[in-house]
Amino acid sequence: GAVVSQHPSRVICKSGTSVKIECRSLDFQATTMFWYRQFPKQSLMLMATSNEGSKATYEQGVEKDKFLINHASLTLSTLTVTSAHPEDSSFYICSASPPRDPLAKTQYFGPGTRLLVL
Amino acid sequence: KNEVEQSPQNLTAQEGEFITINCSYSVGISALHWLQQHPGGGIVSLFMLSSGKKKHGRLIATINIQEKHSSLHITASHPRDSAVYICAVTDSGNTPLVFGKGTRLSVIA
Repeated sequence: GAVVSQHPSRVICKSGTSVKIECRSLDFQATTMFWYRQFPKQSLMLMATSNEGSKATYEQGVEKDKFLINHASLTLSTLTVTSAHPEDSSFYICSASPPRDPLAKTQYFGPGTRLLVL
Repeated sequence: KNEVEQSPQNLTAQEGEFITINCSYSVGISALHWLQQHPGGGIVSLFMLSSGKKKHGRLIATINIQEKHSSLHITASHPRDSAVYICAVTDSGNTPLVFGKGTRLSVIA
């Protein structure tokens, strides 16, 4: 089956620094990838839709200048948390699906990245 | 937008017990996922269902499309099954997943 990877799986950083999280589709091309975030004791929530070659679409309440998304190729989307603060500490996960697969009923997702900002 | 409800929110079981976790959703879907998340860890996909039933080892997942309901069963539960189990749905490969809040399972030896 299709595989999506994320890197890093865990990251600890100091407040004020920027952190980049990568999401890669390993055996298929993805024109669209989705980024989700999970706060403690809450469900995973959609942050933004990453579109290859164009600007990302952000959900209400998600700061686009803080969470920079770059989808420069059909197999890679990156999420950069700029000037990270402790409240950005969370679990981030991405998902993607093969765009030309007419049978694609769903997406495949990465294992997630746990971010801790000190 | 689909709304996903899981029950129970928390579950404690004795080792060896049969466990059922339920997931209901409000709008028709193309696929439903059952995921496992260990404390401090990443997410592991257990099942993806569009219809019927799937079995993998001690885990069984069923889905009833008409009733918009799915169940995850664990037979002969073990402490290593302790984790959060999450249900997620989507209506196509091009729309984002909607996740339930998860069920926290603790299996006591």
